[in-house]
Amino acid sequence: EAGVVQSPRYKIIEKKQPVAFWCNPISGHNTLYWYLQNLGQGPELLIRYENEEAVDDSQLPKDRFSAERLKGVDSTLKIQPAELGDSAVYLCASSVSTGVEQYFGPGTRLTVT
Amino acid sequence: SQQGEEDPQALSIQEGENATMNCSYKTSINNLQWYRQNSGRGLVHLILIRSNEREKHSGRLRVTLDTSKKSSSLLITASRAADTASYFCATGEDMRFGAGTRLTVKP
Repeated sequence: EAGVVQSPRYKIIEKKQPVAFWCNPISGHNTLYWYLQNLGQGPELLIRYENEEAVDDSQLPKDRFSAERLKGVDSTLKIQPAELGDSAVYLCASSVSTGVEQYFGPGTRLTVT
Repeated sequence: SQQGEEDPQALSIQEGENATMNCSYKTSINNLQWYRQNSGRGLVHLILIRSNEREKHSGRLRVTLDTSKKSSSLLITASRAADTASYFCATGEDMRFGAGTRLTVKP
């Protein structure tokens, strides 16, 4: 069974540029999460989807971040414009339903210069 | 904001020793999960304990949950160098993670 797929694995951009991350969850997983992880810290939830509905986006900085999960399968997280402080690892995870075991992707390491 | 808080922040032991790390949380939960993250690798689920359970085992892992104290502990017995990693607890449907315990097992 294929795991959670994320792309790209690494991204370097200049500040004020846009960037997008893509995630393909495990087939059949209804719940999809996007996290941000800074060095030495735990993952911080940005947004949680139940199928195609964003049920928890309270931690998503909506002035520059946006996300979508069309058709309730894969998802895209976008930052526009990026700031230096956005440099971090962006993790995607999926689970069969809310509150059970999550499967994490390898993450996208973003560096904003 | 993060829900779970792990303690200690860092732990260094010799191979073969047991390692215990703790997690405290603030609000009522349905379950609590523990995850491991090796350096440069992704997070891997270790164990889930439900609010009506007090103890759970998985191989060399033993997890306890005390809902009255809003705390959980993860015990790794007979540690190995390969157990070197960061360990996180996560709680709630919204899966709030703590900052983690960095475990180093010296060979």
